[in-house]
Amino acid sequence: GAVVSQHPSRVICKSGTSVKIECRSLDFQATTMFWYRQFPKQSLMLMATSNEGSKATYEQGVEKDKFLINHASLTLSTLTVTSAHPEDSSFYICSGDSQETQYFGPGTRLLVL
Amino acid sequence: QKEVEQNSGPLSVPEGAIASLNCTYSDRVSQSFFWYRQYSGKSPELIMSIYSNGDKEDGRFTAQLNKASQYVSLLIRDSQPSDSATYLCAVNKNAGNMLTFGGGTRLMVKP
Repeated sequence: GAVVSQHPSRVICKSGTSVKIECRSLDFQATTMFWYRQFPKQSLMLMATSNEGSKATYEQGVEKDKFLINHASLTLSTLTVTSAHPEDSSFYICSGDSQETQYFGPGTRLLVL
Repeated sequence: QKEVEQNSGPLSVPEGAIASLNCTYSDRVSQSFFWYRQYSGKSPELIMSIYSNGDKEDGRFTAQLNKASQYVSLLIRDSQPSDSATYLCAVNKNAGNMLTFGGGTRLMVKP
């Protein structure tokens, strides 16, 4: 149980375009979902906490106008990277909270050219 | 001082040996503790959770928690090359179920 999916798994886009990443909890309802970013050989960095039906809470240094998060239902949260630049290239991972335990999606690898 | 500290490694053990991974945390109010395994290029997967002092065993894995010493560890018995990965320690301070992660320890199990 506690399976989380992400789509797409990999995306390549041109600089200046926007990219939407979907995170779905498949067999549980996630009131809270989390979005992380991980650069090569570095640890997970929490970007924001997404609560169903309310605004996301962003970590210090994460631009909320650049990383738009929508958590419209108990099973879906989306992260939109707006006006992406090469420095936004990273591994984006979401997690869903089930019974006080976080379960991670498989991640989305973003490459901005 | 980092909130959750792990030795980055690599920790190298021979196949069949016991691998011991350690983690310390700074906030005494921490309630829940988790070990995740992350293979290169993949996302973390949950191995174990532990909430009370003592040992918790699941197959080849044993998590140990000592709240007085603010220390949590993961033992992997009969280590296999497939156990080679980065192991992340995570702590929940009950602040909205948010986890604080350590930097991870890279484990290498040599055949």
